[in-house]
Amino acid sequence: KNQVEQSPQSLIILEGKNCTLQCNYTVSPFSNLRWYKQDTGRGPVSLTIMTFSENTKSNGRYTATLDADTKQSSLHITASQLSDSASYICVVIPNFGNEKLTFGTGTRLTIIP
Amino acid sequence: NAGVMQNPRHLVRRRGQEARLRCSPMKGHSHVYWYRQLPEEGLKFMVYLQKENIIDESGMPKERFSAEFPKEGPSILRIQQVVRGDSAAYFCASSPNRDSSYEQYFGPGTRLTVT
Repeated sequence: KNQVEQSPQSLIILEGKNCTLQCNYTVSPFSNLRWYKQDTGRGPVSLTIMTFSENTKSNGRYTATLDADTKQSSLHITASQLSDSASYICVVIPNFGNEKLTFGTGTRLTIIP
Repeated sequence: NAGVMQNPRHLVRRRGQEARLRCSPMKGHSHVYWYRQLPEEGLKFMVYLQKENIIDESGMPKERFSAEFPKEGPSILRIQQVVRGDSAAYFCASSPNRDSSYEQYFGPGTRLTVT
């Protein structure tokens, strides 16, 4: 069983609408949790980074939340744009270093006009 | 400041051939990580290197795969005698420090197709 589970696997929404992507993890203890955006055929690009003590972090239209008690994180996208179409990946970083990142399988988001 | 560079972007190899993937980290970064992404799967850690040293290769297959990061030049991921199951996207990332508070920056990936 993957230590980082994301839902939904895929999502299609209309341009301008909001959406929320979920991430459940079992990695513990952890240092920080990151959300990445991966466009088709490209490498992941960091959207937000949260330490275990942070509850929320925003980056423009992206807002990530973290509940360390329930081991859940969410990524909320407001006023979606066509360029938001991508895979969104939740990544948990354990305490012992950058090389042990655990990646979720991602949510494939498609924005339609 | 150029980002992480990988080449080639696309590589086609026949079964049994060798594949060499190159990664140039961001300027000032001495820590390099290689990941593999199989179709419809998440990225999986393969190996972590610092200049001239392999720090952690726990994600590397025991046979046919090797990696290096020489004092001069890019990091190289080498796959000998490729098989169809090696077809995947291989991503390299770099960071200035091993500490988990430092972000990893990813390259665009090399898509390996084994025919």
